[in-house]
Amino acid sequence: GAVVSQHPSRVICKSGTSVKIECRSLDFQATTMFWYRQFPKKSLMLMATSNEGSKATYEQGVEKDKFLINHASLTLSTLTVTSAHPEDSSFYICSARTMGETQYFGPGTRLLVL
Amino acid sequence: KQEVTQIPAALSVPEGENLVLNCSFTDSAIYNLQWFRQDPGKGLTSLLLIQSSQREQTSGRLNASLDKSSGRSTLYIAASQPGDSATYLCAVSPQFYFGTGTSLTVIP
Repeated sequence: GAVVSQHPSRVICKSGTSVKIECRSLDFQATTMFWYRQFPKKSLMLMATSNEGSKATYEQGVEKDKFLINHASLTLSTLTVTSAHPEDSSFYICSARTMGETQYFGPGTRLLVL
Repeated sequence: KQEVTQIPAALSVPEGENLVLNCSFTDSAIYNLQWFRQDPGKGLTSLLLIQSSQREQTSGRLNASLDKSSGRSTLYIAASQPGDSATYLCAVSPQFYFGTGTSLTVIP
């Protein structure tokens, strides 16, 4: 099946720094990618929908200036958490959708902001 | 906005029992519905995908049904095993809003 990778798998950073997370579709082209965050023992919360070559669509309540999303190519989307704070600590998961509407998920990135 | 709810939130059953997990959604205009399992601290594993035109899908001991008009899906697990213990999530497209999850524990 299709594979989606995320890098890094874990990251620890100091409060106030920015962190970039990459999401790649390894063997298919993804016109649309999605970013989620998950708090401990909670479900996934959709943050934004990212279409290649256009601005991301953010869900209500998600700060677009804090969570910068770039979808520069059909195989890569990045999420940058700017000026990270401890409350941004979470598990971030991306997914990529094929032309056939099937969605494949990355393994997730665990972010810890100290 | 689409809202997806799963009942029960947690379930504990003895090994060998058949069980049903429920997923409901408020907007019936979906492309498809997908069931996933998530092990603690891990990513998602896709279990079954049901297209909006389909009524059910089966894979091994798993059977998922979809009733778009009533906004419901069920995941049936037959002859449960301790290895089935995980959190089960449903999600509806196109945006892939996730349900609240059901935490399943199968007791040996």
